Amino acid sequence: DGGITQSPKYLFRKEGQNVTLSCEQNLNHDAMYWYRQDPGQGLRLIYYSQIVNDFQKGDIAEGYSVSREKKESFPLTVTSAQKNPTAFYLCATRDRPNEKLFFGSGTQLSVL
Amino acid sequence: GESVGLHLPTLSVQEGDNSIINCAYSNSASDYFIWYKQESGKGPQFIIDIRSNMDKRQGQRVTVLLNKTVKHLSLQIAATQPGDSAVYFCAETYNQFYFGTGTSLTVIP
Repeated sequence: DGGITQSPKYLFRKEGQNVTLSCEQNLNHDAMYWYRQDPGQGLRLIYYSQIVNDFQKGDIAEGYSVSREKKESFPLTVTSAQKNPTAFYLCATRDRPNEKLFFGSGTQLSVL
Repeated sequence: GESVGLHLPTLSVQEGDNSIINCAYSNSASDYFIWYKQESGKGPQFIIDIRSNMDKRQGQRVTVLLNKTVKHLSLQIAATQPGDSAVYFCAETYNQFYFGTGTSLTVIP
């Protein structure tokens, strides 16, 4: 965790609702990532940002959106277009290319 | 996409024994490998890493071995303790990270 704060820890989404997951970091890392974790599967990349005001789609970006207006913040919105949003969402940062990822404590999103 | 797999989904060891967790990777161009530990409901924690120019790296009670010939990575935990019980997964990277599905380690007191 240390330096990466994800909130809320638990989140419930109603049908047709957009919800936003927060990720804030004080590590001064340029790169930030969002991963989705499902039981029995490896982490899958949703979106990533290597610099402020720039972000790229990952392998499973459909139904998600992000913004990177500040270096410290990389919020993820799960839109109503994401039909199977129930998962554990992890935010990560990286200091330099080819260095390790640091992860936040995660947000568990469930559908009501 | 990349294929990063683990040989066993679960592993049980007696407290005090050594644990070995294995991982196979598919991209021979991958040049950096990491082991993470994840406890239930928490984010992954970094354990140890190794670059492709090395075969072995040791940390505190942990050792990572890299066999590039057969594209195999292993994590050895010495004198396993109950606090080591968690899911362990490997990651490889060339341009992006690719993660294995994880091995659940249970330490029996």
